[in-house]
Amino acid sequence: EAAVTQSPRSKVAVTGGKVTLSCHQTNNHDYMYWYRQDTGHGLRLIHYSYVADSTEKGDIPDGYKASRPSQENFSLILELASLSQTAVYFCASSAAGGGSDYTFGSGTRLLVI
Amino acid sequence: SQWGEENLQALSIQEGEDVTMNCSYKTYTTVVHWYRQDSGRGPALIILIRSNEREKRSGRLRATLDTSSQSSSLSITAAQCEDTAVYFCATDGTGGYKVVFGSGTRLLVSP
Repeated sequence: EAAVTQSPRSKVAVTGGKVTLSCHQTNNHDYMYWYRQDTGHGLRLIHYSYVADSTEKGDIPDGYKASRPSQENFSLILELASLSQTAVYFCASSAAGGGSDYTFGSGTRLLVI
Repeated sequence: SQWGEENLQALSIQEGEDVTMNCSYKTYTTVVHWYRQDSGRGPALIILIRSNEREKRSGRLRATLDTSSQSSSLSITAAQCEDTAVYFCATDGTGGYKVVFGSGTRLLVSP
């Protein structure tokens, strides 16, 4: 079954440390996305990619980097984690951008202390 | 109605009631997505309605789209307890490469 798998499921990080969130999809989709969800709010787009070895900035890219080494894998990197980056992070994939349905992972709950 | 950075809205109904959630969007879109998010899970697509469709149904769900007023709605007929979730609308944004999510509606269906 096609899926989007995120790791880790949860993480505690210290302020100023480096955090890497990983995402793997078996959907054979070209597009992959990283969203952030804060308690009581919707999802906001951080970075996205429509081809391997290329990433694009979303609506809230500051403080985050992304890496797409292959079609299947998309990582989100927090070089210097901050308290304000405590949130749940979701990865998603789609076949053809915003006009097609998205498949989401189960999320990574990040707590920065 | 949901959009932008507003806090999550909340609706509470009894089992068996009908409910409608509204969504207004700011920019042209070719498609409106409706997602359902259960607690601790990622969003899951429930209906996708395109700009050339005014209405789309899936079981007890009905989505409408009015491109002239830039609004969409999701209705659930005879809601059941298992419909309890957060519901998001999303549009394909300005560039078409990405989906922009509304703030969501938390629906609680009580027995």
